[in-house]
Amino acid sequence: NAGVTQTPKFRVLKTGQSMTLLCAQDMNHEYMYWYRQDPGMGLRLIHYSVGEGTTAKGEVPDGYNVSRLKKQNFLLGLESAAPSQTSVYFCASSPQRYEQYFGPGTRLTVT
Amino acid sequence: GENVEQHPSTLSVQEGDSAVIKCTYSDSASNYFPWYKQELGKGPQLIIDIRSNVGEKKDQRIAVTLNKTAKHFSLHITETQPEDSAVYFCALEDAGNMLTFGGGTRLMVKP
Repeated sequence: NAGVTQTPKFRVLKTGQSMTLLCAQDMNHEYMYWYRQDPGMGLRLIHYSVGEGTTAKGEVPDGYNVSRLKKQNFLLGLESAAPSQTSVYFCASSPQRYEQYFGPGTRLTVT
Repeated sequence: GENVEQHPSTLSVQEGDSAVIKCTYSDSASNYFPWYKQELGKGPQLIIDIRSNVGEKKDQRIAVTLNKTAKHFSLHITETQPEDSAVYFCALEDAGNMLTFGGGTRLMVKP
C-alpha cells in the first residue's frame, strides 16, 4: 500500500495563477482532509470530506475549493493564488473520525 | 473555535534523558487526544492517543497523561534517543468532530 500520496511535491506560482493539488489514498478510507502548515501555527484544517461526493469547510477555507468525485481522491484548488497562500499543504485520510494518516506534503510558494 | 496551547515550543535534551511536552485546552467536551510526530520533510505520524475515559496510556518509551479537570494532557518520552528528534504536535477532537492542533514542539536530542 502506498498510503496517502500527494502531487506535486513542490510548486511555485505567480500571484493570480491557479492550480490543483491532488491527494490519493489506497486504504479505502471514508474521511479525507486538507490542512495547511505555517511556522509556529501547527496544522489548520482547510476543507474536509466525510465520503465520496461530500465536502465541508474547515477553519480556513477562504481562497480554496475542493472536490471528492472518487472515494480515493481529494482535490484542492486555488483559483487565484495569493502570497498568503504560501505554505506546506498536507492531505490526510481516516477510516472514521479518529486516527488520521498524512501524506508527505506539498510545498507551495506564491510570488 | 477550540484553542490548544502547546509548551514548550522548543526542547533540547541529552540522549537518555526524559522529555515532557504539555498541552492545555479550553473545551471540556473534548474526548480524544492524539499526539503526532513529524520528521523533517515528512507528514505527521500518529504515535499515541488517549480517550477521555483513560487517565494514562503507555507504549514502550512514550506515554500520555490526561487531566480532564485541569484541561491538560502531556506527552512523556523516556530514555530519549537521537531518532526521537522531530516536531511533536498535540491535538484534540473539537465540537465539530475535527482535530485542532497545537503549535508544535521541536525536540532535539543531543547525543
